[in-house]
Order: sequence, then C-alpha cells, then structure tokens
Amino acid sequence: NAGVTQTPKFRVLKTGQSMTLLCAQDMNHEYMYWYRQDPGMGLRLIHYSVGEGTTAKGEVPDGYNVSRLKKQNFLLGLESAAPSQTSVYFCASSSTGLHEQFFGPGTRLTVL
Amino acid sequence: AQSVTQLGSHVSVSEGALVLLRCNYSSSVPPYLFWYVQYPNQGLQLLLKYTSAATLVKGINGFEAEFKKSETSFHLTKPSAHMSDAAEYFCAVSSSNDYKLSFGAGTTVTVRA
Repeated sequence: NAGVTQTPKFRVLKTGQSMTLLCAQDMNHEYMYWYRQDPGMGLRLIHYSVGEGTTAKGEVPDGYNVSRLKKQNFLLGLESAAPSQTSVYFCASSSTGLHEQFFGPGTRLTVL
Repeated sequence: AQSVTQLGSHVSVSEGALVLLRCNYSSSVPPYLFWYVQYPNQGLQLLLKYTSAATLVKGINGFEAEFKKSETSFHLTKPSAHMSDAAEYFCAVSSSNDYKLSFGAGTTVTVRA
C-alpha cells in the first residue's frame, strides 16, 4: 500500500496563477484533510472532508477551494495564488472510529 | 474547542541524555492525544497516541508519554537520545466528538555528539 500520496512534490507559481494539488489515499479512509505548515506555527487545517462529496472549512480556508469527487482523492485548489500562500502543504486521512491521521510527504509551494 | 501548547521551540540534548518535550492541552471533553515526528523534508509520522486507555503510553523508537489529567499535560520522554532522534516533534489533540486535530507549534530536537 502506498498510503497517502501527494502530487506534485514541488511547485513555483507566480502571483495570480492557479494550481491544483492532488492527494490520494489507498486505505479506504472516510476522512481527509489539507494542512499548511509554516515555521513556528505547527500545522493549520485548511479544509477537510468527512466523506465523498462533502467538504468543510478548517482554520485557514481563505484563498483555497477543495473537492472530493472520489473517496480516495482530495483536491486542493488555489484560484489566484498570493505570496502569503508560500508554504508546505500536507494531506492526511483517517478512518472512522480512529482519531490518528496518516500524512502524505508534502508539497512545497513557492509563490513569487 | 481544543488547543495545544508546546513549551520550548528548540531543545538541544547530548547523545545518551534524557529527552523531555513538554505538551499541555486544553479540551472541554475527554481528549485524544498524539505525538508526531517529522524528519527533514518528510511528512509526519505517528510516534504514539493516548486514547483513554493506559495513562503511560509507549511508542516507537523508545519514546513514551504520560497523560496527566490533573495537569492537562502529555509530555514526551526518551531515556537516552540517539543521533537519529534529531527531528521536529508535534503534539496534537482531538476530542471524542471531533476527528479534527489541533497541533502545537512544534519542538525541534538537536542531538549533540
């Protein structure tokens, strides 16, 4: 099993450009999450999903959109990238009844 | 709502010395508590978790943590540090009625030879 995978691993954008980050999990987990990690701030939840076709806002949702059309995939979109969105983005998933989350390797995004 | 405070953003220990990382939480309902480790340029890996069973929890790589309800703490320890323990460590909390995790700011551990 690959666990949680993220595509791409690195990306550089110019201000105003758009992009989509893809997260895939092969553990049949119901819940999926997108976080951003910034120095000294830990991980902050952007959006999450409790099942296929459902999404909800986390702590820092502004400037991001998500979709969960398939149970195994969770997409994070930036419609108009800003330098403040320069960060490392992590996807995670968890199973119903278990609170531990499994993390992907991360995507390092730089917005110039 | 829940929150986590990790005391000390950076800890430096000698190889073979005790590692102690402090975590305090706030939660209005019984918590689930976790310690994750992040090695450079990698994702987060679960070290150990407390889910209302034994208050002393043993994890991977010789780490353990003790849940103290009266102190709202979940400190992480390892008796003897190894060079491979150099990483960033995160404490996290969720509650019995919410699967979302709240993370502390993280503590970077440096191990001196």
